Amino acid sequence: TQLLEQSPQFLSIQEGENLTVYCNSSSVFSSLQWYRQEPGEGPVLLVTVVTGGEVKKLKRLTFQFGDARKDSSLHITAAQPGDTGLYLCAAYSGAGSYQLTFGKGTKLSVIP
Amino acid sequence: DTGVSQNPRHKITKRGQNVTFRCDPISEHNRLYWYRQTLGQGPEFLTYFQNEAQLEKSRLLSDRFSAERPKGSFSTLEIQRTEQGDSAMYLCASSSGQGEWADTQYFGPGTRLTVL
Repeated sequence: TQLLEQSPQFLSIQEGENLTVYCNSSSVFSSLQWYRQEPGEGPVLLVTVVTGGEVKKLKRLTFQFGDARKDSSLHITAAQPGDTGLYLCAAYSGAGSYQLTFGKGTKLSVIP
Repeated sequence: DTGVSQNPRHKITKRGQNVTFRCDPISEHNRLYWYRQTLGQGPEFLTYFQNEAQLEKSRLLSDRFSAERPKGSFSTLEIQRTEQGDSAMYLCASSSGQGEWADTQYFGPGTRLTVL
């Protein structure tokens, strides 16, 4: 079973600050996904990264996939209260499997 | 497209009772998944259906748990003889089956189960 370790587990910042959260593993992934989950709701897919070294931008969010495809980061510029939520990284468990393995998530609070 | 829906949204039950949850996937999605999420954890995979066939089951799915997708549309997850450790959010997701990394799973809002 592949383990995805996310850090930090909790993050509380002021509106306007920048932040980076990390997703690390000892396994190589064919792809990696980032989700955002709000309290009482299911996760919503933000992005899928596929190529080692790939960088994808989604407005103020920048996602990077490590060159070796073992790790990923999410950087948020000028955080806003609406960014508050649980950020989860996930990857498929192996060839031919359709089960997603999730990290424990980073709980982000952006204080106005 | 109304998204994935789950019912009920909340369920409180006493230990030992049976409960059943329903998931209605996005129409024409042939893949359906069940996950469980406890406080402070990410979702954990339980089982996966391709149409009506149950193709993967996690070791987390004990013999008290059973899932069905009788006509390849909606699915039910039943827990028999509930235990306090079953308290969790049960999430359903569906996907269109376009391939591995391109196959986006769309999650429902979940059913929050509390076992007293």
